[in-house]
Amino acid sequence: EIQLQESGPGLVKPSQSLSLTCSVTGYTITSGYDWSWIRKFPGNKMEWMGYISYSGSTNYNPSLKSRISITRDTSKNQFFLQLNSVTTEDTATYYCAKIITTTYYFDYWGQGVMVTVSS
Amino acid sequence: DTVLTQSPALAVSPGERVSISCRASEGVNSYMHWYQQKPGQQPKLLIYKASNLASGVPARFSGSGSGTDFTLTIDPVEADDTATYFCQQSWNDPTFGSGTKLEIK
Repeated sequence: EIQLQESGPGLVKPSQSLSLTCSVTGYTITSGYDWSWIRKFPGNKMEWMGYISYSGSTNYNPSLKSRISITRDTSKNQFFLQLNSVTTEDTATYYCAKIITTTYYFDYWGQGVMVTVSS
Repeated sequence: DTVLTQSPALAVSPGERVSISCRASEGVNSYMHWYQQKPGQQPKLLIYKASNLASGVPARFSGSGSGTDFTLTIDPVEADDTATYFCQQSWNDPTFGSGTKLEIK
């Protein structure tokens, strides 16, 4: 069965970079599908952040385009999120998820990691 | 962005039928999907492309709609269905509704 697991620091200081890892088991990320980051803010608002495809191309939410980077390490079957110049408004639970490429829905999700931006 | 509007909360009794609505600010064809999220858990896919039941999801859940108006129906509701239900569109860059919190009385 496909499983995704996020990891990374739970506390980041304002103006610094947020870096998270998504480790995938049960499927090789270069075999197909797209692999995404989504976040859920306090109060329930959810935001799609971007994805990296099985071929390595990326697509980002335009609202984040200047601050976000999604990369991968195929040898470890992991993909990564980097969000630069964070503010307190980036405090959220961050999820990685697998996308069904033809229809763009998220069929497998990680458990999520809560990240607080605070000095 | 395509804005998705959901009612904030609903309360129903076990055994009843409940319909949860999602309205899109522009037409999204049938590219609407539904998720269930329980406290402390990740979202779980229930319905994809408006009316298709995801694998392993009980047939008590169903979806309908097209264009701008969509509905997730649970019939009959069980106590375990207490959760927040989100809609998500993928006709444009993915966006999510704000969620409907379902309470079982």
